[in-house]
Amino acid sequence: DVVLTQTPPTLSATIGQSVSISCRSSQSLLHSNGNTYLHWLLQRPGQSPQLLIYLVSRLESGVPNRFSGSGSGTDFTLKISGVEAEDLGVYYCVQGTHAPWTFGGGTKLELK
Amino acid sequence: EVQLVESGGGLVQPGRSLKLSCAASGFTFSNYYMAWVRQAPKKGLEWVATISTSGSRTYYPDSVKGRFTISRDNAKSSLYLQMNSLKSEDTATYYCARCTIAASFAYWGQGTLVTVSS
Repeated sequence: DVVLTQTPPTLSATIGQSVSISCRSSQSLLHSNGNTYLHWLLQRPGQSPQLLIYLVSRLESGVPNRFSGSGSGTDFTLKISGVEAEDLGVYYCVQGTHAPWTFGGGTKLELK
Repeated sequence: EVQLVESGGGLVQPGRSLKLSCAASGFTFSNYYMAWVRQAPKKGLEWVATISTSGSRTYYPDSVKGRFTISRDNAKSSLYLQMNSLKSEDTATYYCARCTIAASFAYWGQGTLVTVSS
C-alpha cells in the first residue's frame, strides 16, 4: 500500500502567518493516464472533512485562494498564505492513484 | 444544496452485523461514484469502500474485503454499507462521501458512529 507521510504532525501559527505542510509518498503518484491523484482535505474540530485541493493544485469551488497546492511524483505541499482563525484543524492528504486509496496521518494546525 | 445523511450506526457485539445507510439529495445521485470513509476515535481517516455509478463495480481495502459490502439504490438516491463479522477495530465514525475524481471526496455526510463491543 502507498504510505503518505505528512510533516509536521503539528503546526503552530499566528494569524496572518504563512505555513506549509508536506506530504511525501512511498511511491510516485503519477498515474499512467498522466494525472496525479493527490488531494488535500481539512477537518475542522467537530466537523466532517472538506475538500480543499484536488489533483495536486486545483482549488475546490468555494475554497479561499490563500490555499494552494504544489508538487509532483512523491513530494507535495499545501501552503496557506496568511492563516485565518477558520483554518484551524487537521489537514490530510489523500491519494487515489494506487489501490487502496490511502490518507496521510494528518497535520494539526493550531494557534500559537 | 448537496446533502448526505448517514444512519444506522450504534452499538453492536463482535461478530455481528450492521447495515449503514446514506440518503443523498441535491444532486443527480446516479451520476456519481460514492464511497464510505471511516475514522476511529481520535484517529485519522481510512477509506472503506467505493461503488461505481451503476453499482456494477465495487472496491475495498484488504481490511474490510470479504466482510463489508457497498451497494446503492439509484432510484432511492441511497447508499448502503453492509458490515458483517464486525471486529473491535471497526469501531469508528463512518462517513458517506461523494467522489468526483479518484479519492477526491468533494462532499461528506455528518457521519454515523459504529461501536463494536461486548
